[in-house]
Amino acid sequence: SQTIHQWPATLVQPVGSPLSLECTVEGTSNPNLYWYRQAAGRGLQLLFYSVGIGQISSEVPQNLSASRPQDRQFILSSKKLLLSDSGFYLCAWSESEGYTFGSGTRLTVV
Amino acid sequence: AQSVTQPDIHITVSEGASLELRCNYSYGATPYLFWYVQSPGQGLQLLLKYFSGDTLVQGIKGFEAEFKRSQSSFNLRKPSVHWSDAAEYFCAVGGNFGNEKLTFGTGTRLTIIP
Repeated sequence: SQTIHQWPATLVQPVGSPLSLECTVEGTSNPNLYWYRQAAGRGLQLLFYSVGIGQISSEVPQNLSASRPQDRQFILSSKKLLLSDSGFYLCAWSESEGYTFGSGTRLTVV
Repeated sequence: AQSVTQPDIHITVSEGASLELRCNYSYGATPYLFWYVQSPGQGLQLLLKYFSGDTLVQGIKGFEAEFKRSQSSFNLRKPSVHWSDAAEYFCAVGGNFGNEKLTFGTGTRLTIIP
């Protein structure tokens, strides 16, 4: 069966520090992968999506970047975090039946 | 551009009462519509989806939704809510059977009172 793993579950980082969030999927090949951010009291904002290894599309200009070094691995990064990067980050993959989401990472930048 | 509107930010209902959460969408082609539920601090779980065919779709946990093309709506319903239904609910629209970017509404937070 297909599963999606996302870690860490929670993270507290100081302003200006780097960030790396990892997402991996199992049980599927060549999935479409997505990073969403959910700010407090707001909906889900699509940050990046990828249709294959090394293929990244950015939806909004921001302080973050994404990479897909392997077929089933999707990484969200930042060189220097800002306070505004705080939020709940969700990884997802899609297939013909819609999305499957990871359990999310709560990032607090202090 | 595609968009989803969930006009109710917060709804409170009594346990055992009926529920309807509203969703209106804008999409230029055949829409593929979804409802997801999110418990606090968790990821999103798919409740149900509409691709084609019967406009009344059944989902998990006793939820159903009705697609009304003339009204561009996809409202979620449940005849009798349970305390465990308290969560945030998101409507989403996309194309290609959901295998592409989905656009989400801002969500409706559901509170259940005894």
